[in-house]
Amino acid sequence: DQQVKQNSPSLSVQEGRISILNCDYTNSMFDYFLWYKKYPAEGPTFLISISSIKDKNEDGRFTVFLNKSAKHLSLHIVPSQPGDSAVYFCAALGETSGSRLTFGEGTQLTVNP
Amino acid sequence: EPEVTQTPSHQVTQMGQEVILRCVPISNHLYFYWYRQILGQKVEFLVSFYNNEISEKSEIFDDQFSVERPDGSNFTLKIRSTKLEDSAMYFCASNTGTGGYEQYFGPGTRLTVT
Repeated sequence: DQQVKQNSPSLSVQEGRISILNCDYTNSMFDYFLWYKKYPAEGPTFLISISSIKDKNEDGRFTVFLNKSAKHLSLHIVPSQPGDSAVYFCAALGETSGSRLTFGEGTQLTVNP
Repeated sequence: EPEVTQTPSHQVTQMGQEVILRCVPISNHLYFYWYRQILGQKVEFLVSFYNNEISEKSEIFDDQFSVERPDGSNFTLKIRSTKLEDSAMYFCASNTGTGGYEQYFGPGTRLTVT
């Protein structure tokens, strides 16, 4: 199932700089996208979401951008903090997928002090 | 802040045995889900549950699996005869069902089938 893809398994950034995590999708019926953060031995924690009628949603240090024509979304974290080090998953749902979330593989973000 | 809880945190069982994984969703939520993550793979949807019945299930959720909400607070996943390939992290999630699509996940149960 390659409907949601995160091509970068890992990303390393310096504290205070911007982290940009990317996600691509193939199913044009997806119309709602979410980002989750996951620490080891914990469940995914919801971070931020965006509806397909928008191209940007912001919540504090986190901003999600959606480019529908490119079927691409990104999560920007600025400034990055060491506590942001975790695995980040993008997920999508839409009309044909009911309420099931379809997840990407995840990207391990490491923020170095 | 309300959260989804799951028990046990780790379950070891022998192949062919039945296991029941337990979840307590957030109290005013109406939709409940089970997902699993096999080591090194994606988080995969198993089943959704609403109004005391399954609303959707994936191709993974075959006759070996069942779900139940026995008492209005617990939400359980039963695997009747476990296989080695059932070894995974199992996550329960819940959603308000009143507009937002965000699902809130529990900490997971690590199931090891030997």
